[in-house]
Amino acid sequence: EAGVAQSPRYKIIEKRQSVAFWCNPISGHATLYWYQQILGQGPKLLIQFQNNGVVDDSQLPKDRFSAERLKGVDSTLKIQPAKLEDSAVYLCASTFLRGADTQYFGPGTRLTVL
Amino acid sequence: DQQVKQNSPSLSVQEGRISILNCDYTNSMFDYFLWYKKYPAEGPTFLISISSIKDKNEDGRFTVFLNKSAKHLSLHIVPSQPGDSAVYFCAASGAAGNKLTFGGGTRVLVKP
Repeated sequence: EAGVAQSPRYKIIEKRQSVAFWCNPISGHATLYWYQQILGQGPKLLIQFQNNGVVDDSQLPKDRFSAERLKGVDSTLKIQPAKLEDSAVYLCASTFLRGADTQYFGPGTRLTVL
Repeated sequence: DQQVKQNSPSLSVQEGRISILNCDYTNSMFDYFLWYKKYPAEGPTFLISISSIKDKNEDGRFTVFLNKSAKHLSLHIVPSQPGDSAVYFCAASGAAGNKLTFGGGTRVLVKP
């Protein structure tokens, strides 16, 4: 069974530029999450999707971050414009059902904003 | 507002000995707790979990203990192996859905 796929693995941009990350969850997983992990901290949930609907985006900085999961499978997370403090690893995770106990994580995208 | 805290940022242990990782939480609504392990350049992988109706869960070399009254859980790794060297995250979720709140992580180094 293929795991959660993410791309790109690394991205370096200058502040005020825009960037997009892509995630393909495990086949059949209805719930998808985006996390931000700043160096030295634990992952922090940005947004949770159930199929193509948003369940929780309370910690998403909506003035610059946006995410979509149009067909309930792949998802993209965008930052526009980027700030220095957005430098982090962006992790995507998925579960078969909402309420399932184990989230499966992708390898993450390491973003550096200069 | 850190609802899940791992107060030890790092831990060094000799191969074959016990590793004990600690985690404290403040939100009494949390009722499910998990430990994830993370190697460099990889995403976290699930290790072991425990429901609030239990006080202990064991899986091979890994045991998690939960003390609800103290809002404290710990992960024991016995015996520790060099391959256990990684960052370990404690996470918690409440009854509604499965949004995870993570601690800051503990880096474990197992010396041969």
